[in-house]
Amino acid sequence: GAVVSQHPSWVICKSGTSVKIECRSLDFQATTMFWYRQFPKQSLMLMATSNEGSKATYEQGVEKDKFLINHASLTLSTLTVTSAHPEDSSFYICSARDRSGRSYEQFFGPGTRLTVL
Amino acid sequence: KQEVTQIPAALSVPEGENLVLNCSFTDSAIYNLQWFRQDPGKGLTSLLLIQSSQREQTSGRLNASLDKSSGRSTLYIAASQPGDSATYLCAVHDYKLSFGAGTTVTVRA
Repeated sequence: GAVVSQHPSWVICKSGTSVKIECRSLDFQATTMFWYRQFPKQSLMLMATSNEGSKATYEQGVEKDKFLINHASLTLSTLTVTSAHPEDSSFYICSARDRSGRSYEQFFGPGTRLTVL
Repeated sequence: KQEVTQIPAALSVPEGENLVLNCSFTDSAIYNLQWFRQDPGKGLTSLLLIQSSQREQTSGRLNASLDKSSGRSTLYIAASQPGDSATYLCAVHDYKLSFGAGTTVTVRA
């Protein structure tokens, strides 16, 4: 149980294009999903918290117009990197909190490797 | 702001030796603390989650302790194997999950 998937697992795009990454909770409902970014040899940094049916909350320094987050249902959140540039190349990981859980535990997806040429 | 520190940054041991990984955090008002494993280029695998009211959790060869008052957690891995080679991340949950930089472990056969 508590499986989170991400699609795609990797993507290469040209500078200036937009890329959409999907995060799905497969066997539970998630009212809250989280998006993290990890640069090489560094730890995970929280980008934003996504609540179903409402606007995402972005961490300081994260551009909300560049990283568009949509949490349209209890099992799906999407992150769209708009007008991507090489400095956006990173490993993006999502996590989801079980709606019925009381432990505040987050379950993590396998990550998406984005390379912007 | 919660700060999470992991020491050492890297560790290399011969197979069979016990591993001790340390994590410290600055704000003790936490819901829980979680240890993860990350293989190169991969996502996170949750190893152990310790609730704030607990002192330790065990799973197989893994044991994690939590001392909230001193802001410390230790992950013990008994009888290490080459397959244990990975980066181990500690994360503290207050109003959000804050990660340490990780300890990269190499177990030599």
